[in-house]
Amino acid sequence: EVQLVESGGGLVQPGGSLRLSCAASGFTFSSYSMNWVRQAPGKGLEWVSYISSSGTAIYYADSVKGRFTMSRDNAKNSLYLQMNSLRAEDTAVYYCARGEDCDFWGQGTLVTVSS
Amino acid sequence: EIVLTQSPATLSLSPGERATLSCRASQSVRSYLAWYQQKPGQAPRLLIYDASNRATGIPARFSGSGSGTDFTLTISSLEPEDFAVYYCQQRSNWRTFGQGTKLEIK
Repeated sequence: EVQLVESGGGLVQPGGSLRLSCAASGFTFSSYSMNWVRQAPGKGLEWVSYISSSGTAIYYADSVKGRFTMSRDNAKNSLYLQMNSLRAEDTAVYYCARGEDCDFWGQGTLVTVSS
Repeated sequence: EIVLTQSPATLSLSPGERATLSCRASQSVRSYLAWYQQKPGQAPRLLIYDASNRATGIPARFSGSGSGTDFTLTISSLEPEDFAVYYCQQRSNWRTFGQGTKLEIK
């Protein structure tokens, strides 16, 4: 069974940092590209970043470029999102999603940026 | 950035009726368009990929059509569990989502 489990969310002050993780199981992680997608409270979905299966290609939404860094460890079946210089508008549930079509999603982890 | 505009914002229908949801792209996305369903408190679920291909386990009452800039998600006969928010997403140029269509019970 495919499983994606996000962790690392929490309350952080503006300007702070947080590192999200996504643990994958039930499929060959190294064969799939991955995405982070976020959803602010009561709002729609916003794509955040993409990483290729090997990790050599990484893309970011303009809203997070220069502040967020996506990475993966295929040996550990894990995906990461390092978030720096956090702003109130980064408050959201962050989902990891598998593949080019985001065919499987985790349940998300809530990040709250507030003083 | 490619902007996806979904219409209508809210669609009020009864079980058994046919639902037609629209997604228009600001420039061609070829057939790189997906549809997702999201229920309250849940993660999104992939319904349709590459404009017209049903994802694994998705009932046949869901169908997608279109290419270029105009796309449609059709639910042929609404079941009670279909009332949710639906999003389109393009992957032709980076990725962007539409703002969503809320399908509510009339």
